[in-house]
Amino acid sequence: EAGVTQFPSHSVIEKGQTVTLRCDPISGHDNLYWYRRVMGKEIKFLLHFVKESKQDESGMPNNRFLAERTGGTYSTLKVQPAELEDSGVYFCASSQALGGSTQYFGPGTRLTVL
Amino acid sequence: AQSVTQLGSHVSVSEGALVLLRCNYSSSVPPYLFWYVQYPNQGLQLLLKYTSAATLVKGINGFEAEFKKSETSFHLTKPSAHMSDAAEYFCAVSDFNQAGTALIFGKGTTLSVSS
Repeated sequence: EAGVTQFPSHSVIEKGQTVTLRCDPISGHDNLYWYRRVMGKEIKFLLHFVKESKQDESGMPNNRFLAERTGGTYSTLKVQPAELEDSGVYFCASSQALGGSTQYFGPGTRLTVL
Repeated sequence: AQSVTQLGSHVSVSEGALVLLRCNYSSSVPPYLFWYVQYPNQGLQLLLKYTSAATLVKGINGFEAEFKKSETSFHLTKPSAHMSDAAEYFCAVSDFNQAGTALIFGKGTTLSVSS
């Protein structure tokens, strides 16, 4: 069974540019999460999809971030326009059920904004 | 609000020594508790989780953790460290009573193992 995959693994962009990160969850997992780790800080929750619906987007930092999950399969996270403070590692996770169900994480996308 | 504190951002042990990584949580409701590990250039991998069954939880690679409600702790231990255990370890909590909530992570502890 394939795990959670993320693309790209690294992205280096200039301030003001747009970047789109992609996450493919484990097949059959309705729940998809995005997290971010800024250097030196803890991993923080961004948002949660159940199928194609946003269940909780309380962690999204501002309206420069747009997440979508069309068709309830893969998800994209777009940052437009990117700012220096957006640099960090963006993790995607998926889970089959809710509650204490294990969240399986992808390898992350390291975003550097210059 | 829930929170997680990992004491010690960096722990160094010798190969064969006991590994003890500390985690304390704050939660007003019964929590789910998790330990994840991140090896270099890889994603987070679940080591073990507590979901209100046995308070002593055994995980992969010889790790275990004990849930102590009175101390609000969930420390991770391994009797004998191996070089391959060198990685960053994260303790996380989620809300038992609210399905589908996000994980709240501690800041992580980097474990170094010397020969």
